[in-house]
Amino acid sequence: EAEVAQSPRYKITEKSQAVAFWCDPISGHATLYWYRQILGQGPELLVQFQDESVVDDSQLPKDRFSAERLKGVDSTLKIQPAELGDSAMYLCASSGGQGFGRAHSPLHFGNGTRLTVT
Amino acid sequence: QKEVEQDPGPLSVPEGAIVSLNCTYSNSAFQYFMWYRQYSRKGPELLMYTYSSGNKEDGRFTAQVDKSSKYISLFIRDSQPSDSATYLCAMSASNQFYFGTGTSLTVIP
Repeated sequence: EAEVAQSPRYKITEKSQAVAFWCDPISGHATLYWYRQILGQGPELLVQFQDESVVDDSQLPKDRFSAERLKGVDSTLKIQPAELGDSAMYLCASSGGQGFGRAHSPLHFGNGTRLTVT
Repeated sequence: QKEVEQDPGPLSVPEGAIVSLNCTYSNSAFQYFMWYRQYSRKGPELLMYTYSSGNKEDGRFTAQVDKSSKYISLFIRDSQPSDSATYLCAMSASNQFYFGTGTSLTVIP
């Protein structure tokens, strides 16, 4: 079964440093999401892409976070500078549906990047 | 008020028990309902995906949606230790997804 690939699995960084996470969605999935999940809570949306365009980044802390999906396939999420409160699991998900005439389909998640900021 | 409410548990049951997990929601526009299973240090894995009201069965799992009460349930029959995980409910209207906080389940051998 096709999977969403994420790397790295774990990242430890010092505060004020820059970090980057990479995601490769399931082939053919037009919609890509980045979520942040704090232990004991559900995933919270950071940014949503439809192909290469940002659909929703209203919850993305834009002073320090950036995301891109240049060719509408894989995506990178960056944090600069990292803060202690950024320690969390960063999940990427993709979906074949949503908008532009596509039928609805559920999210499929990768295994995430667990970030620890010291 | 949160869009989706889910009791975080933890829930502990003996092996073989029937487990009932539930979520309530406030947005009547939700049409698609999902349950995800998340093992420790892993991403959520899609278990069940349903549209509108009714029941859907897949092996030992049954998803139930009652749109009139804004209430969804996941039943696990003959629970196994391998079912020990956090279960997340999720709901969607158009292209946006909303998650519960997850219920932690432990099945004791």
